[in-house]
Amino acid sequence: GQQVMQIPQYQHVQEGEDFTTYCNSSTTLSNIQWYKQRPGGHPVFLIQLVKSGEVKKQKRLTFQFGEAKKNSSLHITATQTTDVGTYFCAGTRGSTLGRLYFGRGTQLTVWP
Amino acid sequence: KAGVTQTPRYLIKTRGQQVTLSCSPISGHRSVSWYQQTPGQGLQFLFEYFSETQRNKGNFPGRFSGRQFSNSRSEMNVSTLELGDSALYLCASSPSSSFLALNGEQYFGPGTRLTVT
Repeated sequence: GQQVMQIPQYQHVQEGEDFTTYCNSSTTLSNIQWYKQRPGGHPVFLIQLVKSGEVKKQKRLTFQFGEAKKNSSLHITATQTTDVGTYFCAGTRGSTLGRLYFGRGTQLTVWP
Repeated sequence: KAGVTQTPRYLIKTRGQQVTLSCSPISGHRSVSWYQQTPGQGLQFLFEYFSETQRNKGNFPGRFSGRQFSNSRSEMNVSTLELGDSALYLCASSPSSSFLALNGEQYFGPGTRLTVT
């Protein structure tokens, strides 16, 4: 079954609005990673969070890792058309080598 | 450093045939993972290799196999192709430091678009 759940599956926003995607795991994660895939492209690594409660920022993007290390979120402030794409979260579990558990992704559409 | 490369980029095969896809990781990366991506199923994990050893395998039938060479290059093979195997196959390399290390960030190649008719 799906190890990492990600919601929403789709999000349509007007340019300038905020956007948030959420990632939840049934088990504790060792780390969480976020990727962005532009239409027609391949996933590109954005960031990795390792510590409980960690918050990292990249310009308009804010990433959080939950206190229990079972959930994470990506928030984009004031979206731009360049933010269009699918955002994936992916986690690792300490008991499992050689594998990342990917969420199904949130497809973001930004209308100008 | 050069990025992850995959060959071929596009492939059209007929049902029943077999196919071999190739992946060259970033220099120095010893971990290579393979994923199948379809619109309805997202990124499905196939398998991962570290220094020629398969560390993990997803829930795909035995028709899907892979291997990794001593130079970290990897290949995946799909035998007896089915229509449902049509997908984008992505390879990703990772700078994992040792066999017992968890996967770090993945660097994806551009993928091979396989169409089965």
